[in-house]
Amino acid sequence: GENVEQHPSTLSVQEGDSAVIKCTYSDSASNYFPWYKQELGKRPQLIIDIRSNVGEKKDQRIAVTLNKTAKHFSLHITETQPEDSAVYFCAPGDRNTGKLIFGQGTTLQVKP
Amino acid sequence: EAGVVQSPRYKIIEKKQPVAFWCNPISGHNTLYWYLQNLGQGPELLIRYENEEAVDDSQLPKDRFSAERLKGVDSTLKIQPAELGDSAVYLCASSLGGQGFTGELFFGEGSRLTVL
Repeated sequence: GENVEQHPSTLSVQEGDSAVIKCTYSDSASNYFPWYKQELGKRPQLIIDIRSNVGEKKDQRIAVTLNKTAKHFSLHITETQPEDSAVYFCAPGDRNTGKLIFGQGTTLQVKP
Repeated sequence: EAGVVQSPRYKIIEKKQPVAFWCNPISGHNTLYWYLQNLGQGPELLIRYENEEAVDDSQLPKDRFSAERLKGVDSTLKIQPAELGDSAVYLCASSLGGQGFTGELFFGEGSRLTVL
């Protein structure tokens, strides 16, 4: 089955610094690459996504880059703020069926 | 617009007892998902519905878990009998299906199950 790994599992940064989380997947048929944010006790929510025909997408302070050849994509957060503290999940999958495989999560702590 | 609604939010039962969770998706969303989330882990898909049809239930432990979505709208997930290892958060999500699928899953708040 699909194998999805995130690195690092925990990440602590100072407010204002950048954070990068990497997701590696095994299914070469994956064509959709989203990142979800889950605050403590809350529901996961989509923050950014990218499709397989695009290499990079940016939305204000967050960006996602995709390397389909190497089968990994990364979440970049610049100018981090305390409210960015949460667990982040990558969930590569098939945009045609909606089947996504979630990674194990990365806990980001932004220290004021 | 109302989001995905789940109930109950919390449930504590003794092992071997049955339990049921209910989910009402966003209006117009024909795809519905049940995920299991263990503490410190990512959501794991249990079952995916397209309207009333279960199109992917390969990860559903069918000896004790069952699900239904009779009219293609709300859905129920049942566990009978519950085991200690079933303690987790059960998340329901919905999305537009087919040509309308944007990729985004909309999750409910989850139902936290504790089995004693």
